[in-house]
Amino acid sequence: GNSVTQMEGPVTLSEEAFLTINCTYTATGYPSLFWYVQYPGEGLQLLLKATKADDKGSNKGFEATYRKETTSFHLEKGSVQVSDSAVYFCALSPYQAGTALIFGKGTTLSVSS
Amino acid sequence: DAGVIQSPRHEVTEMGQEVTLRCKPISGHNSLFWYRQTMMRGLELLIYFNNNVPIDDSGMPEDRFSAKMPNASFSTLKIQPSEPRDSAVYFCATVGRRYGYTFGSGTRLTVV
Repeated sequence: GNSVTQMEGPVTLSEEAFLTINCTYTATGYPSLFWYVQYPGEGLQLLLKATKADDKGSNKGFEATYRKETTSFHLEKGSVQVSDSAVYFCALSPYQAGTALIFGKGTTLSVSS
Repeated sequence: DAGVIQSPRHEVTEMGQEVTLRCKPISGHNSLFWYRQTMMRGLELLIYFNNNVPIDDSGMPEDRFSAKMPNASFSTLKIQPSEPRDSAVYFCATVGRRYGYTFGSGTRLTVV
């Protein structure tokens, strides 16, 4: 079946530190991969996505590369800010259109100044 | 477009009462999903609809939960009777060509 595994949190960093949040997946076919961000009291917002192998998604300084050989989609940012504090979810969408996203359990990031 | 609209934002109810959560999808989005979020279990898919038809309700916890989508612009998730363990944030999400997969702001349900 399809599943997503992401690193356990919380992740605590100082401002301007480098961020990596690991995400690996199991899927049949050729899924699309996503990172969503959830700020306190809000719904999930799409951060970035990649739809095929070797694609790199990027947004707001965050990047993730779709690695089929390692079934991974790790999230990275070179210099985090306090405003990046949130919960980050890795997700996959199976190949079939109209099917539900499958989420990892989420990783809480806390950035201090 | 106003995005996916959920109501109410917060609901506090007593155990045993009926609770109805509402969702208005983005116009033109043909698929609608209900998720539940808790600290212990993370995000769980409860049910989803394509073109107003329920496709997969295997995530609905038990018979106390029911969901309907009578038309393309409205869906409800009902819990009857509610229990304290149903306390969670319930999200509606829709997907379509225009905006991709989009979440509402959620309904925080507290059952006391």
